[in-house]
Amino acid sequence: AQTVTQSQPEMSVQEAETVTLSCTYDTSENNYYLFWYKQPPSRQMILVIRQEAYKQQNATENRFSVNFQKAAKSFSLKISDSQLGDTAMYFCAILGGYQKVTFGTGTKLQVIP
Amino acid sequence: EAQVTQNPRYLITVTGKKLTVTCSQNMNHEYMSWYRQDPGLGLRQIYYSMNVEVTDKGDVPEGYKVSRKEKRNFPLILESPSPNQTSLYFCASSLKTPGQNGYEQYFGPGTRLTVT
Repeated sequence: AQTVTQSQPEMSVQEAETVTLSCTYDTSENNYYLFWYKQPPSRQMILVIRQEAYKQQNATENRFSVNFQKAAKSFSLKISDSQLGDTAMYFCAILGGYQKVTFGTGTKLQVIP
Repeated sequence: EAQVTQNPRYLITVTGKKLTVTCSQNMNHEYMSWYRQDPGLGLRQIYYSMNVEVTDKGDVPEGYKVSRKEKRNFPLILESPSPNQTSLYFCASSLKTPGQNGYEQYFGPGTRLTVT
């Protein structure tokens, strides 16, 4: 079985500051994919960033980057220069063996003007 | 436009009345999946499908059925809905091959279901 844990139910950050959202996971697979999804108040699920477990280099997408620590099974998301539009729920997810997907319980991020 | 569509978007029904939520994608994706989202629990996978006629249980399959007769469609069936199936439901699809866009899931807009 695979699990994903997001230990921060809510966080806040000042506009233009940097914030890091935590995610730890557990899996017995060697090959898997990790994702961060954003869910704004519209409820639409939007992919923020993706990391392939066999790649050591941390993924980056503009202001979003991850700190992937495979041995520690940690996959945190860093948002730089936070903007009001970043206010949303953020979900960490793993796609492992047999194509099963497991999501964490989410972190609600509020960007304060 | 590449998209995943779900219908209906909102549904209020009564206990025991069979219903189907449709899901369709126009991206020729092999992989499709259903999730339910409940407060404090995140998204939980109900069923998924690797291709036509290939389906498998996710973490919370009880009370649901699916079928995959065509590549583009993946309906979710509740044969006898109960109040504990009141939830927000998402359908998603993706390619299932490695690569730049591999395994990236595209989500539908969600279906808000209330069972009274």
